[in-house]
Amino acid sequence: NAGVMQNPRHLVRRRGQEARLRCSPMKGHSHVYWYRQLPEEGLKFMVYLQKENIIDESGMPKERFSAEFPKEGPSILRIQQVVRGDSAAYFCASSPRGGDLNTEAFFGQGTRLTVV
Amino acid sequence: QKEVEQNSGPLSVPEGAIASLNCTYSDRGSQSFFWYRQYSGKSPELIMSIYSNGDKEDGRFTAQLNKASQYVSLLIRDSQPSDSATYLCAVWGSGAGSYQLTFGKGTKLSVIP
Repeated sequence: NAGVMQNPRHLVRRRGQEARLRCSPMKGHSHVYWYRQLPEEGLKFMVYLQKENIIDESGMPKERFSAEFPKEGPSILRIQQVVRGDSAAYFCASSPRGGDLNTEAFFGQGTRLTVV
Repeated sequence: QKEVEQNSGPLSVPEGAIASLNCTYSDRGSQSFFWYRQYSGKSPELIMSIYSNGDKEDGRFTAQLNKASQYVSLLIRDSQPSDSATYLCAVWGSGAGSYQLTFGKGTKLSVIP
């Protein structure tokens, strides 16, 4: 079974460009979570999605960031007009059920975004 | 704001010793607790989950949960240099926060050969 797949693994963008990060959940998982980890910092929740629905985006910055999980294809985290402070590791996790049902979440390898 | 607290370390133990990692959480309604291991530059890897009070053992790892004290711990027996990593405690929230898996900042463990 393939695990959670994220691509690209490394992404370099100039200030003002757009970054698109992709995440395909584990087979059989329909719940996707995006986290951001700044250097020497903990993992911070950004957004929780199910197919075609954003369930909780309380951790997402109000501007420039958006996420989707279409009926077909991977989940996408989109960052518009990137700034240096967006440089971080972005991790995607997936689970077979929602978090209130004693469920385990598994992480992808992450995308390391560097803004120059 | 639901919080998960861990000692940041670093925690250094000699090879073969027991490493003890601790975590407290603020959301009294939380029911699901996890330990992840993260090597430098890598992604978090799930190593233990625990849902009931008491101990849960898996190989050299034992997770302990005390919901009354809002406390979770991880014991690593016969520590090996390959156990050197940052250990993250994670808690599913309850109620409206149940969509969020909240992480502590992690405890950095160093096993000295």
